[in-house]
Amino acid sequence: SQQGEEDPQALSIQEGENATMNCSYKTSINNLQWYRQNSGRGLVHLILIRSNEREKHSGRLRVTLDTSKKSSSLLITASRAADTASYFCATGLINDMRFGAGTRLTVKP
Amino acid sequence: DTEVTQTPKHLVMGMTNKKSLKCEQHMGHRAMYWYKQKAKKPPELMFVYSYEKLSINESVPSRFSPECPNSSLLNLHLHALQPEDSALYLCASSHPGRANGYTFGSGTRLTVV
Repeated sequence: SQQGEEDPQALSIQEGENATMNCSYKTSINNLQWYRQNSGRGLVHLILIRSNEREKHSGRLRVTLDTSKKSSSLLITASRAADTASYFCATGLINDMRFGAGTRLTVKP
Repeated sequence: DTEVTQTPKHLVMGMTNKKSLKCEQHMGHRAMYWYKQKAKKPPELMFVYSYEKLSINESVPSRFSPECPNSSLLNLHLHALQPEDSALYLCASSHPGRANGYTFGSGTRLTVV
């Protein structure tokens, strides 16, 4: 039931650097969402971008969406050790959301 | 209240046991979800309830039985599970019919022995 693919699978950077994660999906979407998961617990919603939007910002997060390429990217600027987590994109229809494989981000102090 | 509460946080059960996972929210969300997540994998959708009615069942084995007794509660009844069913079970909720983020509980880590 997985909808998309993310790359890279794992990313390791130094504190203060930017982190970019990419997500590709296969079918038409209503919106695309990004979530963070710490240590295999609950997921936290980060940002939602609608299919008619191309870019969205929230604090240190920047999300882009290219529906012609069926892809999205999440940029985290000025990363912190606390950003260490797994990041998932999620797509699909309203009330039917599927997750990509995820990117494991490690931010070294 | 902006939380989804799942109980128990951890559960160990034998293959002949019957147990239930519980999920509760008081945000007025009328869509609730069960996801299953294996280690180092993404969450996989199991069931969706919309306005207390089952709207999606992702061909989940009948040893998993969902129940939505009211708009705030979601249960997952477990019976005769297999060791491969060991996973993190996540509950989430949202407003149905709106494009918005889901609110997740912190999950129940289930081990079947």
